[in-house]
Amino acid sequence: LAKTTQPISMDSYEGQEVNITCSHNNIATNDYITWYQQFPSQGPRFIIQGYKTKVTNEVASLFIPADRKSSTLSLPRVSLSDTAVYYCLVGRRNTGGFKTIFGAGTRLFVKA
Amino acid sequence: SQTIHQWPATLVQPVGSPLSLECTVEGTSNPNLYWYRQAAGRGLQLLFYSVGIGQISSEVPQNLSASRPQDRQFILSSKKLLLSDSGFYLCAWSSGRLPNTEAFFGQGTRLTVV
Repeated sequence: LAKTTQPISMDSYEGQEVNITCSHNNIATNDYITWYQQFPSQGPRFIIQGYKTKVTNEVASLFIPADRKSSTLSLPRVSLSDTAVYYCLVGRRNTGGFKTIFGAGTRLFVKA
Repeated sequence: SQTIHQWPATLVQPVGSPLSLECTVEGTSNPNLYWYRQAAGRGLQLLFYSVGIGQISSEVPQNLSASRPQDRQFILSSKKLLLSDSGFYLCAWSSGRLPNTEAFFGQGTRLTVV
């Protein structure tokens, strides 16, 4: 499984756009990039997943350059409730199981 | 819809006592099941995963064991807890048939060994 590197923490203010970048230099051809969000004392929850270019859903956008060695999670107009830890994961999609490695993640603090 | 139940939510146990955490999934069949542990302020560490009844893979050798007695039941156990077993334990499931796009997590059990 490819190792990921992301900032330990980030600060932002309400209403701003937040971009969290993740490096995954050893990403394999079959690997997908997935982001999770975790609030204190809760399990992580899926935010978005992509393979290349751009993916957008009602929560966030995911930008993946052509070389796929990094990815950027973009949260538009964050609110206080977006304060959480965000994990970048890289792994294969297959029917044999979804083993994931969660690093320390990025702690996002949204201030009023 | 699928749901995952994990209990208890919090647990305080003395050193040397046994442990049994239970996780059940509803609304799906033949899920892949996982146990993770999270130390305070740290990422999640995969402890065990299972792709079927009686099939357990251990990722980290330790004082814990896992069992899957039924298709949608996953149990984390210990015969004698250590102080270092304290942490936030999370159960998760993912689809066993379709290409996996995401894992769904339970609410977690906060274990404090005293």
